Amino acid sequence: EPEVTQTPSHQVTQMGQEVILRCVPISNHLYFYWYRQILGQKVEFLVSFYNNEISEKSEIFDDQFSVERPDGSNFTLKIRSTKLEDSAMYFCASQGLVGSYNEQFFGPGTRLTVL
Amino acid sequence: AQSVTQPDIHITVSEGASLELRCNYSYGATPYLFWYVQSPGQGLQLLLKYFSGDTLVQGIKGFEAEFKRSQSSFNLRKPSVHWSDAAEYFCAVGEGNNDMRFGAGTRLTVKP
Repeated sequence: EPEVTQTPSHQVTQMGQEVILRCVPISNHLYFYWYRQILGQKVEFLVSFYNNEISEKSEIFDDQFSVERPDGSNFTLKIRSTKLEDSAMYFCASQGLVGSYNEQFFGPGTRLTVL
Repeated sequence: AQSVTQPDIHITVSEGASLELRCNYSYGATPYLFWYVQSPGQGLQLLLKYFSGDTLVQGIKGFEAEFKRSQSSFNLRKPSVHWSDAAEYFCAVGEGNNDMRFGAGTRLTVKP
């Protein structure tokens, strides 16, 4: 069964460093998302991406964040200068066409720890 | 704006007892509704979803949920809880291709 994959599973970085979180969505999907979950809190929407551009973003997704689909398979989230409060689990999700009932398929997550 | 409320932060039930986790949503149209389960340090696993049709939906692991439009609720139920069901449960609402909104989660503890 196709699934969303994410790498790395755990990333540790120093404050101020840049990190890139990688996701491989399900191959025929067209909509891509990033969510984050701070430890012990709920899952929060960051950004959605369709047709090679951002379609929606939350207030969390400020200028320090960017997303890219550099090739036909990867979908990346970059944090330019990490802060302590960026420590969280980051989930990637992908979704097919409307006919697929709008279910988003989530990856296993990348745990980001900023020291 | 969409919102999801899970009124119970933490629930403890005995193994073998029945379970009901509450979820209320605020949305203008009929939303797409989901329940996810998350074990500690793990990702989100979809338990079940509702898009249309029969308001009682069956999911994996013996879970079911009932959509009640009049109450704006989508409560999750299981007739007999197993120790392995201990986890965090999230209700979520989505619309079309837009972002999903998650509730704050309910942590389930199962007593032996």
